[in-house]
Amino acid sequence: DTAVSQTPKYLVTQMGNDKSIKCEQNLGHDTMYWYKQDSKKFLKIMFSYNNKELIINETVPNRFSPKSPDKAHLNLHINSLELGDSAVYFCASSQVIPTLRDSANYGYTFGSGTRLTVV
Amino acid sequence: SQQGEEDPQALSIQEGENATMNCSYKTSINNLQWYRQNSGRGLVHLILIRSNEREKHSGRLRVTLDTSKKSSSLLITASRAADTASYFCATDEAGAGGTSYGKLTFGQGTILTVHP
Repeated sequence: DTAVSQTPKYLVTQMGNDKSIKCEQNLGHDTMYWYKQDSKKFLKIMFSYNNKELIINETVPNRFSPKSPDKAHLNLHINSLELGDSAVYFCASSQVIPTLRDSANYGYTFGSGTRLTVV
Repeated sequence: SQQGEEDPQALSIQEGENATMNCSYKTSINNLQWYRQNSGRGLVHLILIRSNEREKHSGRLRVTLDTSKKSSSLLITASRAADTASYFCATDEAGAGGTSYGKLTFGQGTILTVHP
């Protein structure tokens, strides 16, 4: 199936632990993203990568470190988890190529989300 | 910062009725997109309208865009119980020369409930 797939779907962990969320897309898209959705359903971008290169780091704490081994994968590693990190994290991809003229008009494909609960 | 504001925050209608959701935004945009999110699921792209377009249709969906008012509306006609979901507008902010900053900025969503 062509899709954006992220694992795990649920993650329950204690404060202070380190955890990773993996994301893969087989759509051939050039750009991948991590979004965070809080308890009020507000979605905010965290990072974007274009062909393995970091494009956006939206004032996210240093405890969050994305890694893109190739353009089809964008993983998110979180160190020293805090209660406030509890949220749903969505991976997404698109054909948008930032800074390329007239390349903006594509929709995004989202993964099904990872619900992170820090206790 | 939050780009879009959606109105209403919640909408409850009967099957067969039309549902209209509105979105306002603040900056110049390349396009505006609407997404649906079913409870506990990811977002699904519904429709994209470019900044030089005023109206777009896709099946039972009709989207309008007024760039002078920085607003958009999503109309779902002949609603069904399966349309029950949260609906989000999202904008791709315009960079110089039709480029993109490479991110979508989302509104807070409208929760639509369609009663059978």
